[in-house]
Amino acid sequence: EVQLVESGGGLVQPGRSLRLSCTGSGFTFGDYVMSWFRQAPGKGLEWVGFIRSKAYGGTTEYAASVKGRFTISRDDSKSIAYLQMNSLKTEDTAVYYCTTPYNSIYDAFDIWGQGTLVTVSS
Amino acid sequence: SYELTQPPSVSVSPGQTARITCSGDALPKQYAYWYQQKPGQAPVLVIYKDSERPSGIPERFSGSSSGTTVTLTISGVQAEDEADYYCQSTDSSDTWVFGGGTKLTVL
Repeated sequence: EVQLVESGGGLVQPGRSLRLSCTGSGFTFGDYVMSWFRQAPGKGLEWVGFIRSKAYGGTTEYAASVKGRFTISRDDSKSIAYLQMNSLKTEDTAVYYCTTPYNSIYDAFDIWGQGTLVTVSS
Repeated sequence: SYELTQPPSVSVSPGQTARITCSGDALPKQYAYWYQQKPGQAPVLVIYKDSERPSGIPERFSGSSSGTTVTLTISGVQAEDEADYYCQSTDSSDTWVFGGGTKLTVL
């Protein structure tokens, strides 16, 4: 079964850092784009960023709201994608989901993790 | 920045047809995708590339596109279809955007 599991969420003070992990199983992790999305409490979905596979350079793209503060990386040997979040703000409070476009026919984010809650508060 | 616009809410009775629209200037050139999200759960892809239905999604879900508007249609709505629905697309700059979401209420 293709699966993604996020971890690392929790309560953090404004201005501090936190690193989330997304562990994949059931598929060849290194072949796929990995993306992060988030959803603030009671709000809609927001794309955070993604990292391409090594075959496509392993490069990253970010939403304007997090660019310069958040960094996505990957360790394909461990089937893990990371979201390093620095200089956190209260408005970064959200459930963070990792996703991948597993089925190439769909060309869409069809596999999602269960999400991990990040609360930024003093 | 690019925006997709959805109605905040749509209400229908069971068995009726629900239509949820999503408008965006780049939609004539870029595909749209629809996700269903129930409370406390991760989103589920229900339509890809404007009108295609993933495996396992009921046939009552369909999508269409006309100009700058895409539409998610749910025919013969069932109580289990009550959820938030989000459209997603891109403006071709390697960034993804979502509409604000539409809460579907089954009366």
